[in-house]
Amino acid sequence: DAKTTQPNSMESNEEEPVHLPCNHSTISGTDYIHWYRQLPSQGPEYVIHGLTSNVNNRMASLAIAEDRKSSTLILHRATLRDAAVYYCSRTYKYIFGTGTRLKVLA
Amino acid sequence: DAGITQSPRHKVTETGTPVTLRCHQTENHRYMYWYRQDPGHGLRLIHYSYGVKDTDKGEVSDGYSVSRSKTEDFLLTLESATSSQTSVYFCAISAGWKNYGYTFGSGTRLTVV
Repeated sequence: DAKTTQPNSMESNEEEPVHLPCNHSTISGTDYIHWYRQLPSQGPEYVIHGLTSNVNNRMASLAIAEDRKSSTLILHRATLRDAAVYYCSRTYKYIFGTGTRLKVLA
Repeated sequence: DAGITQSPRHKVTETGTPVTLRCHQTENHRYMYWYRQDPGHGLRLIHYSYGVKDTDKGEVSDGYSVSRSKTEDFLLTLESATSSQTSVYFCAISAGWKNYGYTFGSGTRLTVV
């Protein structure tokens, strides 16, 4: 079964780093890992994606395990505007996880 | 916004009636997708298209059909709406398959009464 699993919710203090995990234990060698976030009443927004190497952009970093069965989205300094639902996905069958609701505490 | 619009934004329809949702893009992207979002289920793929007249089924395609006669438009049709199809529907586009991120539309909230 091509499942992608994430914790339902996480909390972080403002200006602290946040590590959002995702398990994709059945991922294939050519399957990319994508992350999106969704603010209330909006469509999901692309955050980052990668295949094997760790990736960085202006929004976040993506750390991919050596066996590729898990990945971690890293927000280096959480702000109140980062409060959202974060989804990881894999390109095989375009499957999304059920998302992690991130709460950022002031 | 990012060159993708969905219409209508909200719709209420009666059980048994046909409904068509429209996704329009101005990015000339090859791939287009329809997802539904329900509490506890996240985003689930209904159908996708990899070119004009080229479509395929997703995870939850029963009760839905799609058409893509032009690059810019991807239509989702509920032939006979049921209450279980009450949901928020999102369209997404991407320039390519694996190594390209999606851009999502703002969604259509559909209520079937």
